Amino acid sequence: GAVVSQHPSWVICKSGTSVKIECRSLDFQATTMFWYRQFPKQSLMLMATSNEGSKATYEQGVEKDKFLINHASLTLSTLTVTSAHPEDSSFYICSARTSGYSYEQYFGPGTRLTVT
Amino acid sequence: SQQGEEDPQALSIQEGENATMNCSYKTSINNLQWYRQNSGRGLVHLILIRSNEREKHSGRLRVTLDTSKKSSSLLITASRAADTASYFCATDAGIQGAQKLVFGQGTRLTINP
Repeated sequence: GAVVSQHPSWVICKSGTSVKIECRSLDFQATTMFWYRQFPKQSLMLMATSNEGSKATYEQGVEKDKFLINHASLTLSTLTVTSAHPEDSSFYICSARTSGYSYEQYFGPGTRLTVT
Repeated sequence: SQQGEEDPQALSIQEGENATMNCSYKTSINNLQWYRQNSGRGLVHLILIRSNEREKHSGRLRVTLDTSKKSSSLLITASRAADTASYFCATDAGIQGAQKLVFGQGTRLTINP
């Protein structure tokens, strides 16, 4: 099946710094990628949808200047958490789907971000 | 915002028993999917059921969909310790091609050996 990787799998950073998380589709071209965040023992909340070569579409309440998303190629999307704060600590998960009429999304293993 | 609500929030059963989880949603959907998540890990896709389907099977999994009640159920038969995980339903209600999944709150399933 299709594989999506994320890097890093976990990261610790200090308040005020920025962190970049990569999401790659390893064996398929992902025209659309999604970014979710998940707090402990809670569900996944969609943050934004990114299409290759265009600006991301953010969900209501998600600060686009804080969570920068770049979908520069058909196999790579990045999420940059800028000026991170402890409340940004969370589990960030990306997913990707191929072009065409395909329902299934393929999820990455997630990145655990801890801001100290 | 969350579309789905899952019931129960937590379920603990003995190995070998069947586990049933329910999911309700609010809007019309294109399809509904079930995922499993082991603690601290990513999601594993289990099964997808389209809005025009009523029941689907995959191994020990059985999913039903009742669009009139806007609800779905996931049945895991002959449970195993390895089935211990959180299970989420996700609905795709967007314009075809948009494919935004909205996740339910999840059911934490514990299988006791």
